[in-house]
Amino acid sequence: QKEVEQNSGPLSVPEGAIASLNCTYSDRGSQSFFWYRQYSGKSPELIMSIYSNGDKEDGRFTAQLNKASQYVSLLIRDSQPSDSATYLCAAPSGGSYIPTFGRGTSLIVHP
Amino acid sequence: DVKVTQSSRYLVKRTGEKVFLECVQDMDHENMFWYRQDPGLGLRLIYFSYDVKMKEKGDIPEGYSVSREKKERFSLILESASTNQTSMYLCASSPTTREQYFGPGTRLTVT
Repeated sequence: QKEVEQNSGPLSVPEGAIASLNCTYSDRGSQSFFWYRQYSGKSPELIMSIYSNGDKEDGRFTAQLNKASQYVSLLIRDSQPSDSATYLCAAPSGGSYIPTFGRGTSLIVHP
Repeated sequence: DVKVTQSSRYLVKRTGEKVFLECVQDMDHENMFWYRQDPGLGLRLIYFSYDVKMKEKGDIPEGYSVSREKKERFSLILESASTNQTSMYLCASSPTTREQYFGPGTRLTVT
């Protein structure tokens, strides 16, 4: 059973802090990894993709991938209350178009 | 911008009714997916399609069927709606790079 694990949270951080969201995956064949943001009552929205080891930065977001340790993380710098949402990690199995989603981490950014 | 649309945002049906949920994408993606999302259970894959007239069962296909007659359109059918099919239904499309683009979702209530 291929799994993607996330801490359900909630993770609570003050405004302006760095929020760190983590995800581990079981399938070593996974080659691509995605982070989605989902506001309450809305559908998931793609915010980051990462395919190779290391860091990938996009604005206030940084995705980090460590294939040897099988974890992916998302850092949100200068967190804002508008970042409060559930963040889903997804990893398609190697060779497959079907992603395995984690259950998401709830992030609360308080003023 | 990728656009995925779903036929209804909210739908109320009676037990035993046949229900059609439609999804249309405008980016010529080969892959399309239907999920349901319930509190505490995360995203669960019902069916996916990797080409016109092709379909594969996901994790929870029982009680559902799908149709893909045109590349841009993927329909989910509840043959005989039951109360345990009350849920948020999400359609997604995906290109070969495997990221997913979600529609706004249909919140279905079966009474």
